[in-house]
Amino acid sequence: DTEVTQTPKHLVMGMTNKKSLKCEQHMGHRAMYWYKQKAKKPPELMFVYSYEKLSINESVPSRFSPECPNSSLLNLHLHALQPEDSALYLCASSPPSPGQEGDTQYFGPGTRLTVL
Amino acid sequence: RKEVEQDPGPFNVPEGATVAFNCTYSNSASQSFFWYRQDCRKEPKLLMSVYSSGNEDGRFTAQLNRASQYISLLIRDSKLSDSATYLCVVNGEGNQFYFGTGTSLTVIP
Repeated sequence: DTEVTQTPKHLVMGMTNKKSLKCEQHMGHRAMYWYKQKAKKPPELMFVYSYEKLSINESVPSRFSPECPNSSLLNLHLHALQPEDSALYLCASSPPSPGQEGDTQYFGPGTRLTVL
Repeated sequence: RKEVEQDPGPFNVPEGATVAFNCTYSNSASQSFFWYRQDCRKEPKLLMSVYSSGNEDGRFTAQLNRASQYISLLIRDSKLSDSATYLCVVNGEGNQFYFGTGTSLTVIP
């Protein structure tokens, strides 16, 4: 099973709203990721959690707040977003120490976010 | 310099054609290499890992050249369903993965 699930599939929010994106995997992966993807661009890394600790923050604005409650769950809390934050938000997970030949990351279906 | 460089295309090829994509990476210490396929408005999906010895999966062949730091993907007998964006991905230090810009392929009837 290589499934990563994400909810919701679509989200429309105003600039003053607070919302959360959720991601779940049950593959025993200990690294989880948030990416942002704009149309016709590759995914852009936002955050990496390794063993439930934030290991990489790619200088993401504080209006995006990640949380990793346990090894299977990853949340992204959204507050006071801007219209330019509208994008596809992808969650991914990978084995504990990717870098061995063949270890890779698996993506969820994404949440398509529109900020009005 | 970008970690991974990839020709964005677009590549427009007739059905049945053979098409090749190349990708170069900058970090000689990289250990893992992958091709992902992404359909419009969908998530990237692993197409194949690229092993040191090269590997083949049906119509798809991936090659790795460590000396020149490039990776290739060959698609033979293109099908309409192969139309997608193909992303070259290279692992970096720790848990980081670097993406190429993606190459757009359209297979024409």
